[in-house]
Amino acid sequence: EAAVTQSPRNKVTVTGGNVTLSCRQTNSHNYMYWYRQDTGHGLRLIHYSYGAGNLQIGDVPDGYKATRTTQEDFFLLLELASPSQTSLYFCASSDGGDTQYFGPGTRLLVL
Amino acid sequence: GDSVTQTEGPVTLSEGTSLTVNCSYETKQYPTLFWYVQYPGEGPQLLFKVPKANEKGSNRGFEATYNKEATSFHLQKASVQESDSAVYYCALGPWGSALGRLHFGAGTQLIVIP
Repeated sequence: EAAVTQSPRNKVTVTGGNVTLSCRQTNSHNYMYWYRQDTGHGLRLIHYSYGAGNLQIGDVPDGYKATRTTQEDFFLLLELASPSQTSLYFCASSDGGDTQYFGPGTRLLVL
Repeated sequence: GDSVTQTEGPVTLSEGTSLTVNCSYETKQYPTLFWYVQYPGEGPQLLFKVPKANEKGSNRGFEATYNKEATSFHLQKASVQESDSAVYYCALGPWGSALGRLHFGAGTQLIVIP
């Protein structure tokens, strides 16, 4: 079964702060995704990638950058964090088929 | 555009009662339909998927039929248990140039009281 890990699991920052969320998958999947989860909105796609160096824009990309450095590693960057970005962030991976495997999530609080 | 609408939660049931979570979708494509489940403190995980219209998927006592005519994919279980307490997501995808993408509904929280 796919293994997706995320770090940190919890993060607190201040408005205007710089945050990097990390995701690693160890099953050689081509696709990786970043979602945010908020009450009433479910899972919303921020960015995704289908390989190292590739980046695709999702549905809620404003205020976020992402970078895929290797097949295993996908990073989400918040360069000027705002309270509206307080959320639970999930990373996922897939082989380009239809089943996505999710990590355990990172809870971010922006004060 | 493509969208998924599902029963608004939370849904609170007593153990042993039946469950229906409604899911309706809009798309001009021919997607695979999914149900994902998210237990407290975990990421979502696939419950089951159905790639073809008029077919049924099932897992752990849950089932749903891909109804293309009604554009629905309702989740049902005859007798829920406390361990079924979770958030359930209906999703559709992927297709064409959006290969690899899924569209998720807003999720339905299920609370089962022993």
